[in-house]
Amino acid sequence: EADIYQTPRYLVIGTGKKITLECSQTMGHDKMYWYQQDPGMELHLIHYSYGVNSTEKGDLSSESTVSRIRTEHFPLTLESARPSHTSQYLCASTDRGGSPLHFGNGTRLTVT
Amino acid sequence: AQSVTQPDIHITVSEGASLELRCNYSYGATPYLFWYVQSPGQGLQLLLKYFSGDTLVQGIKGFEAEFKRSQSSFNLRKPSVHWSDAAEYFCAVGASNDYKLSFGAGTTVTVRA
Repeated sequence: EADIYQTPRYLVIGTGKKITLECSQTMGHDKMYWYQQDPGMELHLIHYSYGVNSTEKGDLSSESTVSRIRTEHFPLTLESARPSHTSQYLCASTDRGGSPLHFGNGTRLTVT
Repeated sequence: AQSVTQPDIHITVSEGASLELRCNYSYGATPYLFWYVQSPGQGLQLLLKYFSGDTLVQGIKGFEAEFKRSQSSFNLRKPSVHWSDAAEYFCAVGASNDYKLSFGAGTTVTVRA
């Protein structure tokens, strides 16, 4: 049973559109993350947040942006989608260092 | 920097046979190690974790993993595979003073009848 929710599950959108991928968690976790996952590749961290009003870029450069206005909510935005953004995006959270990450079910984005 | 290598991209195993997935990590201190499983179209589910203590850890769904410091390995095993174990498996490494995990590229497991 997921305590971290991502919407939409699937999204097909045309080039140039602005999109927001939603991520919410009900566990009160301070730390939240966005990973990008392509087939056969490791998960790449693209953004993370250690609390409200705190956001950082991850190891993989991404044209997306994030915000953290509330503890439970960590949306990811692409201002102008391109086919190269086609991927699966996974949101995760945890409460302390070294603890397992809890993952949402992901959003599979296809940009045509 | 920490990193994880999963040498096997794809493994096919017969139902009822044993399974072992390899994971090698690179980290300067004692790592926190994790195995996750991902079914198609789903997020990642935690199978088991190692922080310290007994080097053989038990997880959910009948999986276990053994931490071997001398080999920098954390291999996942299951004595008898079920068709429902077909999925992708990810090994990850972290640390107590770091809130981020590094993941391997994953191993896809196919189970044949």
